[in-house]
Amino acid sequence: NAGVTQTPKFQVLKTGQSMTLQCAQDMNHNSMYWYRQDPGMGLRLIYYSASEGTTDKGEVPNGYNVSRLNKREFSLRLESAAPSQTSVYFCASSEGSGTGYEKLFFGSGTQLSVL
Amino acid sequence: AQSVTQLDSQVPVFEEAPVELRCNYSSSVSVYLFWYVQYPNQGLQLLLKYLSGSTLVKGINGFEAEFNKSQTSFHLRKPSVHISDTAEYFCAVSRRDSGGSNYKLTFGKGTLLTVNP
Repeated sequence: NAGVTQTPKFQVLKTGQSMTLQCAQDMNHNSMYWYRQDPGMGLRLIYYSASEGTTDKGEVPNGYNVSRLNKREFSLRLESAAPSQTSVYFCASSEGSGTGYEKLFFGSGTQLSVL
Repeated sequence: AQSVTQLDSQVPVFEEAPVELRCNYSSSVSVYLFWYVQYPNQGLQLLLKYLSGSTLVKGINGFEAEFNKSQTSFHLRKPSVHISDTAEYFCAVSRRDSGGSNYKLTFGKGTLLTVNP
């Protein structure tokens, strides 16, 4: 059982380049999330999707866009990468649609460097 | 406003010693509380959660946490740690968003537990 799968695991971009981080879950979960993790900052929510066809901004959405392609997949796009977006990105999913008490399942992360 | 404070950014301990990782939160409404663990180069995994009922919650790998409403704390404890417990631990608080029907989950900044032989 794969759980939450993220690709790629590592990526180096130049300032201004664009890229899409892919995430897929095979647990039939309703909700999916994108977080970024920076040293000493914990995890901060970028965007989330409480159900297929809906997306909402989190704490730090600027510079990002998302697409909930279907129930399984939730992608994160950087249209014009900036050095401030250097971070480790985690995708997560949960069974319900925003009930608040659910366990989150995390992918193994994407380490992104923007030069 | 809701915040989560993990009082120690790093906690070094010796193997077989007890450990307590502290977490305090601020919220004027009822909350759900979580502890997640992140081993090196991995995603986060749920250790335990408090939703309601008994204030002492037991989780995986011998960890437990106690919810103290009056002190707005949810400290994580283990009576005897192993080298394999070396990881970063995150406290998280879930609270209904003001004016909405969704819940907002906020993570603390993490505590790095290093267990030395």
